[in-house]
Amino acid sequence: AQSVTQLGSHVSVSEGALVLLRCNYSSSVPPYLFWYVQYPNQGLQLLLKYTTGATLVKGINGFEAEFKKSETSFHLTKPSAHMSDAAEYFCAVSEGGGTSYGKLTFGQGTILTVHP
Amino acid sequence: NAGVTQTPKFQVLKTGQSMTLQCAQDMNHEYMSWYRQDPGMGLRLIHYSVGAGITDQGEVPNGYNVSRSTTEDFPLRLLSAAPSQTSVYFCASRDGWGADQPQHFGDGTRLSIL
Repeated sequence: AQSVTQLGSHVSVSEGALVLLRCNYSSSVPPYLFWYVQYPNQGLQLLLKYTTGATLVKGINGFEAEFKKSETSFHLTKPSAHMSDAAEYFCAVSEGGGTSYGKLTFGQGTILTVHP
Repeated sequence: NAGVTQTPKFQVLKTGQSMTLQCAQDMNHEYMSWYRQDPGMGLRLIHYSVGAGITDQGEVPNGYNVSRSTTEDFPLRLLSAAPSQTSVYFCASRDGWGADQPQHFGDGTRLSIL
């Protein structure tokens, strides 16, 4: 069974500061990992994904994440926060093969607040 | 491109009423799914479909029915609404069955059960 844990339901940073959102996963097979962002009253948008290959993945809006198998982590970072980054962020894991049909399991979400 | 369209955007029901949440996608995606989002719990899978005529249960299926008569549409039915079903509901679709493909989400239906 797969699961996702996001450490910290709320993260607050100053504009221009580093953003670090933590995600740890559990999976019985090599996972596919995703970060989604949700702006108020909107659906989820894909930020980036890891499937295979390079473990450092770059996404939209200057975000990137690194897959670390030994730590079962997929933390999301951005060097310099912008006010427009304020949103809720979700980490998700998907398993291939069998009859799972790639069902997504989401973490609890982290609300990012950016202060001027 | 419309993508994934959900209607209605907001709905208030009384306990015991039934209703259907509509979901349509124009990307010819085989895989479609319904999630509910509750504070502090992320999104949880209710039902999913891998193609017309094929549906299966997710993590929290009780109290909900689905059917998939066409590739484009995947409605979610609440049979007898309960206050515990107050939530935000998201429909999503994905190109193919591959687990490495991202899902595309609608804007959600905000449902309150009184």
